[in-house]
Amino acid sequence: KNQVEQSPQSLIILEGKNCTLQCNYTVSPFSNLRWYKQDTGRGPVSLTIMTFSENTKSNGRYTATLDADTKQSSLHITASQLSDSASYICVVSAGAGGGNKLTFGTGTQLKVEL
Amino acid sequence: DVKVTQSSRYLVKRTGEKVFLECVQDMDHENMFWYRQDPGLGLRLIYFSYDVKMKEKGDIPEGYSVSREKKERFSLILESASTNQTSMYLCASSSYYEQFFGPGTRLTVL
Repeated sequence: KNQVEQSPQSLIILEGKNCTLQCNYTVSPFSNLRWYKQDTGRGPVSLTIMTFSENTKSNGRYTATLDADTKQSSLHITASQLSDSASYICVVSAGAGGGNKLTFGTGTQLKVEL
Repeated sequence: DVKVTQSSRYLVKRTGEKVFLECVQDMDHENMFWYRQDPGLGLRLIYFSYDVKMKEKGDIPEGYSVSREKKERFSLILESASTNQTSMYLCASSSYYEQFFGPGTRLTVL
C-alpha cells in the first residue's frame, strides 16, 4: 500500500529561526514528490515539485530535498516569518503522468511565533 | 495565472438535504478531482474525472456522486447529506505534471 508519513506532526518555532520538515514515503512506481503549503481554511498551494532525478529544489526561503534511494524528502524553511504558519503537506505521485494517483501525507502543522 | 474556483467557501445544510458543490477551472485541464480533508486523515480522493462525462471512483465514493457536463466544470453531489459528511471539500484540476487546488468549501451538516 502506498503511504506517505510526515514528521513532526506539529512544530512551534520563533520568528527568524530555521526549521526542517520530514517526509518518508513508500510509493511505487515513483513519479514525483511535491510539497504544498496550506493556510488555515484555504486550499493547498504548491511550493516545490521534484522528479526522480532532482535532489534539491528551492522556492525562495523554502528548499526541498529528495533522496530517492532512501525514499525520504525534507522541506527546509529559512528565516521563518509569521506568514509561514500553515500546514505543510508532502504528496507523492505514482505512475505515469504525475498529475494523478497522488498519495498525501497528513501534514506538519507549523506555527511561527514572535 | 491558473485558477480553480469553488462555488461556496462555507455551507451549512441539514441532514437529508441534497447538496451541490461546484468547481470551475480555467486552465483547459482534462483531469479534475474532488477530495475531502479531515483532521488527522489528510486529503482523501472521492471521485475524479479525466474527460467530459467520464468519472472514476476514488478511495471514498460512498454517499457521493459527480457530474462533468463541461470540461471546465466538475460538480460533487451529496444525494442525502449526513452528519459524517461534515468536512472540508477541495476540488483540483491537473496538468500532466501538477495539481492545482481550489480554495475549498467548508461543509457543515446539522
